[in-house]
Amino acid sequence: GAVVSQHPSRVICKSGTSVKIECRSLDFQATTMFWYRQFPKQSLMLMATSNEGSKATYEQGVEKDKFLINHASLTLSTLTVTSAHPEDSSFYICSARDSKRGTLNEQFFGPGTRLTVL
Amino acid sequence: GENVEQHPSTLSVQEGDSAVIKCTYSDSASNYFPWYKQELGKRPQLIIDIRSNVGEKKDQRIAVTLNKTAKHFSLHITETQPEDSAVYFCAASGGNQFYFGTGTSLTVIP
Repeated sequence: GAVVSQHPSRVICKSGTSVKIECRSLDFQATTMFWYRQFPKQSLMLMATSNEGSKATYEQGVEKDKFLINHASLTLSTLTVTSAHPEDSSFYICSARDSKRGTLNEQFFGPGTRLTVL
Repeated sequence: GENVEQHPSTLSVQEGDSAVIKCTYSDSASNYFPWYKQELGKRPQLIIDIRSNVGEKKDQRIAVTLNKTAKHFSLHITETQPEDSAVYFCAASGGNQFYFGTGTSLTVIP
């Protein structure tokens, strides 16, 4: 149980295009999902908290108009990187919390999406 | 916001020896402290966690200790094996968000 998937696993795009990444909780409902970015040999940096049915909460320094987050259902959150540039190339990982579990804090991570912007 | 520091950034040990990684946090409201192991290009895997009402927790070769007063917690791996080689991250959470430490690259030398 508690499986989180991400799609695509790897994407290469041209500078200026937009890329959408999907994060799905496969066997549980997630009212809250999180998006992280990880540059090579660095830690996971929280970008935003995605809440089902409401606006995402962005961390300081993260441009909400560039990183669009939509959490339209209890099992799906999407991150769209708009007008991507080479400096947006990174490993993007989502995580989700199971709304029904007694453990309030535990997060389950997706496998990540490797984005390369040419 | 929460600030989590982690040391050392790299650690090499001989197979069979112990490894210790330390983290400090700043927000006294944090009450959940997980540790993750991440292999290159893969997702973080939870290896052990501790809550603020507990001082120590052990799971086979892995243990975590928490000092709430000093705001620090540590990961202890005993009898290390080559397959323990990976990057380890600590994290602190006071509710919703996780804030991760900077990571420790552990190498276990056969």
